[in-house]
Order: sequence, then C-alpha cells, then structure tokens
Amino acid sequence: DIQMTQSPSTLSASVGDRVTITCRASQSISGWLAWYQQKPGKAPKLLISKASSLERGVPSRFSGSGSGTEFTLTISCLQPDDFATYYCQQYSIYPRTFGQGTKVEIK
Amino acid sequence: QVQLQQWGAGLLKPSETLSLICAVYGGSFSGQYWSWIRQPPGKGLEWIGEVNHRRITTYNSSLKSRVTMSVDTSKNQFSLKLSSVTAADTAVYFCAKGGNTVFDPWGQGTLVTVSS
Repeated sequence: DIQMTQSPSTLSASVGDRVTITCRASQSISGWLAWYQQKPGKAPKLLISKASSLERGVPSRFSGSGSGTEFTLTISCLQPDDFATYYCQQYSIYPRTFGQGTKVEIK
Repeated sequence: QVQLQQWGAGLLKPSETLSLICAVYGGSFSGQYWSWIRQPPGKGLEWIGEVNHRRITTYNSSLKSRVTMSVDTSKNQFSLKLSSVTAADTAVYFCAKGGNTVFDPWGQGTLVTVSS
C-alpha cells in the first residue's frame, strides 16, 4: 500500500496567515492527488484534484502543487472558515489511501 | 447535482454484520464508481472499497475477507455489508461517489458503534 504522510499534524495560525501543508507519498503517484477539508461532524469536502486543479466553488486562496512523491496545499490568506482538518489522498494505485490529516487551529 | 443519503443500524454487538445503504439522487448512477470510507472516532480516513454499476468490486485487502458491496440500479442505491464486527470497526462510515478517481460528493456519514 502507498503510505501518505502529512506534515505538520497540527498547525497553529492566525487569520490572514499564509499556511502550507506538505504531503509525501511512499512511492510516485504522478499527479493523482486530492486534498479534502473536513470540519467536525461533517463529511470531507473535495478542494483540489490532480494535485493542483481547484474544484468549482473553492476559494482561490487555496492552491495545490507537486508531483511524484511530494505535494503541498497552500492557503494564501487564512480565513475564519478555513480552520479545519485537511487530508491528502492518492488515487494512483489501489487501495486508495489518505494522509493522517493536518489540523489547522486558531493561534 | 449528485447528492448521497445514507442510512443503517448504528449500534451493533460483536460478531454481528454491519449493513449500510447509500441512495444517489441526481446525476447518473450508471458509469460511476461508488465507495465506502470509514473514520474511527478522532482518527483518519480509511477507504473500504468500491463498486460500480456493473457490480464490479474492489476492496481494501485489510477488510476484504469481511466486506461485501453491491448495487441496486433500479433504486440508484449501493450498499455495504461488513461481517463479524468488533469494537475496532466502530467508526463513522461514509459513502461517496468515486474510487476510480476522487471522492466527491460524500454522504452525511453514519456512526456505527460496536459494543456488547
């Protein structure tokens, strides 16, 4: 199975900050990577597919980059609604696997 | 716009079979892949498996011996059965469109608790 490792596990930040979350795959997944946002008690929401393609309706302050084994999710100007847990997920190889999550909390 | 609504028993005893159904509203059911994903309390996400409209399934090997997924194309529904549950199967279970690609959208989630 492909292991997805996110860092950091927790990130403390303030409104207006630029934040970056890293996701590393244990082997190359080309660009087959998605990012999700999950709030407490809710289902995850797809933000980005194919490593860098922003889903319709997702604010442009979110961006993704990377290929192969290293990927990043950047939030350019953190808003109150962005405090949540973020997961990366590979869909290159079965079984589909997720990172352990990065919780973005208020500093 | 596709919406998923799921339901099933929320409290099971050890050794019983978990059974969940997910109904698909809007969009096309055919030609799509449908997945189940679970999340133990306070933990991360685990993909359980997928089924498509042709009833072709792919399961996570970690659960393969206990999982059965099926579809009812007449009702635009798909289902999950997980046999011989233990406390380790306590989780929120989500249905989702996808598997061959990204998961989007997701159902609302069902908390399944296994306790004697």
